[in-house]
Amino acid sequence: KAGVTQTPRYLIKTRGQQVTLSCSPISGHRSVSWYQQTPGQGLQFLFEYFSETQRNKGNFPGRFSGRQFSNSRSEMNVSTLELGDSALYLCASSLAQDRDEQYFGPGTRLTVT
Amino acid sequence: KNEVEQSPQNLTAQEGEFITINCSYSVGISALHWLQQHPGGGIVSLFMLSSGKKKHGRLIATINIQEKHSSLHITASHPRDSAVYICAVYLLTSGSRLTFGEGTQLTVNP
Repeated sequence: KAGVTQTPRYLIKTRGQQVTLSCSPISGHRSVSWYQQTPGQGLQFLFEYFSETQRNKGNFPGRFSGRQFSNSRSEMNVSTLELGDSALYLCASSLAQDRDEQYFGPGTRLTVT
Repeated sequence: KNEVEQSPQNLTAQEGEFITINCSYSVGISALHWLQQHPGGGIVSLFMLSSGKKKHGRLIATINIQEKHSSLHITASHPRDSAVYICAVYLLTSGSRLTFGEGTQLTVNP
């Protein structure tokens, strides 16, 4: 069974631009969570989607948004990029919504210049 | 104070040594993940546990829910075990959202 995939793997953007990252979960997994990892803040939860509904959201500004499609694939969008948005963005999928084991993708490394 | 605390932050060992990484949390949880992250970023889930002990190869994880403490042990450590080990918990108050420790950087020298 294929693992969690994320595209693109690397991305360079300029301040003020917007970016969309994609995550394809393991087949059969219905829950997708997004995380941001930076050297200063470590790993932080962004949001979680289950059956196309956002079920949980972290403490990030409204510039960070996401969605999930009927095939469980998920996208996250960051608008009006800031230098501090440079980070590794990870998604993870799990079978069920609630407290199931999560399987992580390889991440998208975003650099904002 | 972080809800999840790991110790030590950095650990250097010689090949073959027995290694222990600790994780303490301050509030009630329903389950705990031990994660491994290699340079380059990919994260692998090593264990998810809510009670007792689990073993996989040279790795052993234990948890004591009453004492709010978990340990990850590596027996017969090897240079390929060098990675960051991260403890992550499902807080009872946060549903399916993981809360992470700061990680332990492990270096195993040959």
